[in-house]
Amino acid sequence: GEDVEQSLFLSVREGDSSVINCTYTDSSSTYLYWYKQEPGAGLQLLTYIFSNMDMKQDQRLTVLLNKKDKHLSLRIADTQTGDSAIYFCADCALINTGKLIFGQGTTLQVKP
Amino acid sequence: NAGVTQTPKFQVLKTGQSMTLQCAQDMNHEYMSWYRQDPGMGLRLIHYSVGAGITDQGEVPNGYNVSRSTTEDFPLRLLSAAPSQTSVYFCASSYSSSGNTIYFGEGSWLTVV
Repeated sequence: GEDVEQSLFLSVREGDSSVINCTYTDSSSTYLYWYKQEPGAGLQLLTYIFSNMDMKQDQRLTVLLNKKDKHLSLRIADTQTGDSAIYFCADCALINTGKLIFGQGTTLQVKP
Repeated sequence: NAGVTQTPKFQVLKTGQSMTLQCAQDMNHEYMSWYRQDPGMGLRLIHYSVGAGITDQGEVPNGYNVSRSTTEDFPLRLLSAAPSQTSVYFCASSYSSSGNTIYFGEGSWLTVV
């Protein structure tokens, strides 16, 4: 079945850029999402990208999609301590069901 | 507009007890689903529904039942709780024709002892 993979941990210094990577296997992906989860909290939708796009920018966030390699990345510019959280990549596997396939989550640690 | 509402937020159960996690949305979404989150494993789909009266199994359905008698509500039932069902549960909903926005509830933290 479809699979989504992420590295588990990333540590950066405050003010640096963070790049969180994700790979997926589904050839028929339509939408790909990035969610943020702070400790003890629910999921916050950060951004999403439609599969016919290769880049989307939203303030400090840049999403890059390489459909040929099935690779998705989230770049956070000028990373702040408030960005420390778990970031999940998710693939909308079947658009007519609302089903999402999630990666394991990447814990981002921002050091002052 | 409350979005997706889950109750309870926290629950402790004894092994063998039953309970229902409630999920309600007020956005007239057709699609609703339940996920569980375990450390290092991301979120895994338990059950989902594409409309009232229609449900289907996800990746990890064993030990859980669902029903969808109304568009608004999608309860998740644990008939005989086991320690392996200790997890954080998330309900989600979306429009049928809009795969770009899937709304999540705030989560229900369940511990089975």
